[in-house]
Amino acid sequence: DSGVTQTPKHLITATGQRVTLRCSPRSGDLSVYWYQQSLDQGLQFLIQYYNGEERAKGNILERFSAQQFPDLHSELNLSSLELGDSALYFCASSPLAAEQFFGPGTRLTVL
Amino acid sequence: EDQVTQSPEALRLQEGESSSLNCSYTVSGLRGLFWYRQDPGKGPEFLFTLYSAGEEKEKERLKATLTKKESFLHITAPKPEDSATYLCAVRTSNDYKLSFGAGTTVTVRA
Repeated sequence: DSGVTQTPKHLITATGQRVTLRCSPRSGDLSVYWYQQSLDQGLQFLIQYYNGEERAKGNILERFSAQQFPDLHSELNLSSLELGDSALYFCASSPLAAEQFFGPGTRLTVL
Repeated sequence: EDQVTQSPEALRLQEGESSSLNCSYTVSGLRGLFWYRQDPGKGPEFLFTLYSAGEEKEKERLKATLTKKESFLHITAPKPEDSATYLCAVRTSNDYKLSFGAGTTVTVRA
């Protein structure tokens, strides 16, 4: 158990819908990262937050957004969902310039 | 752009048959090379961090080494419970994100 929690574990929804994925980092970690893992793309970095502020962006679609709240938990919002958005979404946390610890992931299926 | 290439894609081993996985990288300003283990449907589990050429880290049957161009993960006398996908990732001086390789899937048969 890495200490990072993610909810829900599974999410099944339809195209065009909007969903919210939630992540709670390890105690004391200020930095949260979101990654997407699909069969054809592997693990891809989406976005990073540090102590409530956006720190870095990867190839995150404009339909996706995230935020980190004062209690340091983070949410990833995915809107106008397409079939191709089906993937595993992972959250990771770290003290910043150190190894990242990953949560168990949310499996998103878009039908 | 940072590039991380892992080989082989898949490795089938007999229990006790030692082997090595390769991770080659092309980055500007390496600030750390990371090894993770991932079981199907689970999140990556942190194994090692290597920072400079010549560095080695060990944990049970796993040993990671680093040169200026690549890293190796050696699995000594593997057991079936070592079956997993092993991921290599790099962090550069430009930011804190990890860039991952595609992974090597290891299957150890009893």
